Amino acid sequence: QVQVVQSGAEVKKPGSSVKVSCKASGGTFSSYAFTWVRQAPGQGLEWMGGIIPRFATTNYAQKFQGRVTITTGEYTGTAYMELRSLRSEDTAVYYCASATYYYASGSYYWAHFDYWGQGTLVTVSS
Amino acid sequence: EIVLTQSPGTLSLSPGDRATLSCRASQSVPYNYLAWYQQKPGQAPRLLISGTSNRAAGIPDRFRGGGSGTDFTLTISRLEPEDFAVYYCQQYGTSPPVTFGGGTKVEIK
Repeated sequence: QVQVVQSGAEVKKPGSSVKVSCKASGGTFSSYAFTWVRQAPGQGLEWMGGIIPRFATTNYAQKFQGRVTITTGEYTGTAYMELRSLRSEDTAVYYCASATYYYASGSYYWAHFDYWGQGTLVTVSS
Repeated sequence: EIVLTQSPGTLSLSPGDRATLSCRASQSVPYNYLAWYQQKPGQAPRLLISGTSNRAAGIPDRFRGGGSGTDFTLTISRLEPEDFAVYYCQQYGTSPPVTFGGGTKVEIK
């Protein structure tokens, strides 16, 4: 079974950046796809984007385009999510999950999110 | 982008009751690619159901997903104490983007 472990809580100033890591184990790194979902306090789930390392494919939700970058460390089994130009509304728990994806009509598509990390609280405050 | 609307917002029930949660999509979900997640306070979501009706590994058979097109349901046949939580639906028939519903809280009456 895949286990996903994320980095610890962060406190950031408005305008700064945060980089959260996520390490998966229990499988083959090349087979993983990672996705990031955030949850503001008392709110629902919001998909941010994801990466399929095996096929060098990255997708971002339009809301975060230009402000978020998702990468993986080569051979480390670790994924990263960097969010820039932080504002107070970015205060949330950020989850990494290993995801199932599928291939159709020449593209890769996200499916369901199978194993989730414990979440990383990012607090943006002056 | 497909918008998912879950109802009711809160469901107040007793252990042993049957729970029926609804997830309605703003347009038909291709291939009925819909998943359900359970989230307990302070925990990450957990995958329950994918592809409308396929239970994830280790999920008890009291959890049943159904529906098609724009209307989907999650039914919990007999609520156990550990089932009181928030449930989210998620569509992946048109992804990216993946979209989630707003959630239904199942609370103890």
